[in-house]
Amino acid sequence: EAQVTQNPRYLITVTGKKLTVTCSQNMNHEYMSWYRQDPGLGLRQIYYSMNVEVTDKGDVPEGYKVSRKEKRNFPLILESPSPNQTSLYFCASSLAYPNEQFFGPGTRLTVL
Amino acid sequence: AQSVTQLDSQVPVFEEAPVELRCNYSSSVSVYLFWYVQYPNQGLQLLLKYLSGSTLVKGINGFEAEFNKSQTSFHLRKPSVHISDTAEYFCAVSDLTSGTYKYIFGTGTRLKVLA
Repeated sequence: EAQVTQNPRYLITVTGKKLTVTCSQNMNHEYMSWYRQDPGLGLRQIYYSMNVEVTDKGDVPEGYKVSRKEKRNFPLILESPSPNQTSLYFCASSLAYPNEQFFGPGTRLTVL
Repeated sequence: AQSVTQLDSQVPVFEEAPVELRCNYSSSVSVYLFWYVQYPNQGLQLLLKYLSGSTLVKGINGFEAEFNKSQTSFHLRKPSVHISDTAEYFCAVSDLTSGTYKYIFGTGTRLKVLA
């Protein structure tokens, strides 16, 4: 089944404790992206990747890191999480920009 | 910079009534437009897309949207809604002339279908 998977689905952590949210797609898509969803703000793009080893900032990149060492994986790293990063995070992939995106199920992160 | 405006944060409508969810984007020469739906506790899935060609686009579940370049709008419509259409709807744009490869989303419209 073609899909985008994210892990973990739920995470509660404390300020400053490094964490990684994994994202994987099995559709051989070139483009991958991370979004955060907050009430009243919709989805905001954090980082995107056009292909392996090619990443760029979205609209809200502060406090996040990404890497794209393999085509199928695009992990999101929070090196020192803060409470304002409490949010619902979505990974998405697309065959190529600017085509439609396929979204993962989401990761609900709470930073205390 | 490109932006997307969904003016209605919530739209209540009775079952079997028609509905229109509004989306406006800032002007651009060349854009691709999308509507996504998010059911409770789920990810987003594509409803429909406009890439080029006919300005009237048909999507899944009986939804359609019309691309209006002069008004920079891409409103979503359904002639008769069902309870199962209750969800949040997001309009998104990719701007081919921006020099970036970002997708810009609106803030979403929560459709509540009433029995």
